[in-house]
Amino acid sequence: DVKVTQSSRYLVKRTGEKVFLECVQDMDHENMFWYRQDPGLGLRLIYFSYDVKMKEKGDIPEGYSVSREKKERFSLILESASTNQTSMYLCASGSTGAGSYEQYFGPGTRLTVT
Amino acid sequence: DAKTTQPPSMDCAEGRAANLPCNHSTISGNEYVYWYRQIHSQGPQYIIHGLKNNETNEMASLIITEDRKSSTLILPHATLRDTAVYYCIVRVASNYQLIWGAGTKLIIKP
Repeated sequence: DVKVTQSSRYLVKRTGEKVFLECVQDMDHENMFWYRQDPGLGLRLIYFSYDVKMKEKGDIPEGYSVSREKKERFSLILESASTNQTSMYLCASGSTGAGSYEQYFGPGTRLTVT
Repeated sequence: DAKTTQPPSMDCAEGRAANLPCNHSTISGNEYVYWYRQIHSQGPQYIIHGLKNNETNEMASLIITEDRKSSTLILPHATLRDTAVYYCIVRVASNYQLIWGAGTKLIIKP
């Protein structure tokens, strides 16, 4: 089974702190994604990466950056956390096969910024 | 990617088949239909996908109409653990992004 793990299930940070969210997948997938999920807004894509050291902005990249130094690991960075970044953060990975493309999600990190 | 329309909520009795509809009337020929579900406090889980033909796996069946404008996800023998929000998504295979709607909240009742 595909396994996507995230470094923390719950995290509490203070406004202005630098926050690192780590995601690791064990299926050698090329693509990795970071989403945030908020009530009434659904899942929104922050950033994704289709290869090591490659990244693309999603729908809401402002206030975030990412790093992908190794194929299995994709990090989301909040340079200076703000209260409006309190949310559930979900990492996903997937491969690009002909005619097929699924994303596999981690359990999520519920981040609270106070 | 085409937009999808799903009912906001549905109930189903435990042990019965749960049939979740999805409308995607603007789907184009190269767009796939994907279904995911999200159980409370967990990340979304891939269920099944299809292009034209009906598909079945160990979790569910996907029925796509001949004109491809709608589809139905069938959970053949629903259990309480199937209570979740179910998302129907339409996308082009070459597009990395999935566009997530509000989904259908399925409640399985004992």
